[in-house]
Amino acid sequence: QITLKESGPTLVKPTQTLTLTCTFSEFSLSSGEVAVGWIRQPPGKALEWLASIYGNDDKFYMPSLETRLTITKDTSKNQVVLTMTNMDPVDTATYYCAHRGSTMPRGFFNYWGQGTLVTVSS
Amino acid sequence: DIQMTQSPSSVSASVGDRVTITCRASQGVSAWVGWYQQRPGKAPQLLINTASSLQSGVPSRFSGSGSGTDFTLTISGLQPEDFATYYCQQANSFPITFGQGTRLEIK
Repeated sequence: QITLKESGPTLVKPTQTLTLTCTFSEFSLSSGEVAVGWIRQPPGKALEWLASIYGNDDKFYMPSLETRLTITKDTSKNQVVLTMTNMDPVDTATYYCAHRGSTMPRGFFNYWGQGTLVTVSS
Repeated sequence: DIQMTQSPSSVSASVGDRVTITCRASQGVSAWVGWYQQRPGKAPQLLINTASSLQSGVPSRFSGSGSGTDFTLTISGLQPEDFATYYCQQANSFPITFGQGTRLEIK
């Protein structure tokens, strides 16, 4: 059974850098067709895709946030890391990582982590 | 970016009813639309990919249709566990974008 779990700080101060780790099991991020994405959801609001990384190390970012985001993978540790710089209170949200399998068409996410709530406040 | 516009933003219905949610893309996305269900406090769950392909384990009362710019999610014979928020998502091109959500409430 594929699982993903997000970890990182629950509280960050404005202007700080957020680093979130997605630790996954039962799949490998070494195949070009497999991907892990990050999606966030501010309280009471809609889902917003942030970034995806593929097994061949292709990376895609939300253009409006691209200058602040970096996504990387550590295949040996089964982890994907998302960093977001210059955090602002509007970045307060639940951050999810999610899996796109090799048999899944295009960028649909069929397994999700439980999410981690990140609050940005001084 | 491709904008995904869902309607209605909320709908009230009773157990056993049939409900249809629509999603319109700001430009053609072929059939690359998926639908997710999100219950309060939980992560989204993929119900349908590629407009009409039901994910394994999802009840057959859920169905999807559409292509190009207009898509629908239909739930036939609502069950108590179906009252949740539903999101469409386009995967035709990056950036991936989601609709604003449709909240399905019990009447």
